[in-house]
Amino acid sequence: SQKIEQNSEALNIQEGKTATLTCNYTNYSPAYLQWYRQDPGRGPVFLLLIRENEKEKRKERLKVTFDTTLKQSLFHITASQPADSATYLCALVAGYSTLTFGKGTMLLVSP
Amino acid sequence: GAGVSQSPRYKVAKRGQDVALRCDPISGHVSLFWYQQALGQGPEFLTYFQNEAQLDKSGLPSDRFFAERPEGSVSTLKIQRTQQEDSAVYLCASSLASREVGYTFGSGTRLTVV
Repeated sequence: SQKIEQNSEALNIQEGKTATLTCNYTNYSPAYLQWYRQDPGRGPVFLLLIRENEKEKRKERLKVTFDTTLKQSLFHITASQPADSATYLCALVAGYSTLTFGKGTMLLVSP
Repeated sequence: GAGVSQSPRYKVAKRGQDVALRCDPISGHVSLFWYQQALGQGPEFLTYFQNEAQLDKSGLPSDRFFAERPEGSVSTLKIQRTQQEDSAVYLCASSLASREVGYTFGSGTRLTVV
């Protein structure tokens, strides 16, 4: 069956460190992979999109990698700040551009 | 508008009651999606519109769920004879027609069935 797996345990890191979140998938051939941020009581907010033929994409302090052989994407936040604390969702694009989401990983950045 | 607007923000329904949830997408966004999000879970796909055409409704959990977008802009998700397991946040998202763009989500409607 198709699965998108993200660490269910919260990731706790100290301010200034690099946070690395993992997204693994099985039985998908995604054309695109997207990362979203979700704060409590709010809808997800789009961060980055990476195509299957791209290895890496950057945006300010964010970096996403996409390895279609390992079926894995890594999401990095460098120089993390307490304001980066949120749940981060990985999502794959399949079919008629409908997104399929993972369960998300909560990131907690302490000062 | 500037973003995707959903109303009501919160809805408490008695079991068996019908509810209607509204989504006002970003003007010009062709694609509109409904998702259901249970506590601690990721959003689960319900249905997808391109303009007024409902192209995919494979995620609707039962025939009690019905969605429409008659003029290709505002959409309504209707749930008939609500049950406790329908309690969740219902998220609406819109996007441009291209597949290479992110979705813009509303803040959702939190439905509690008592």
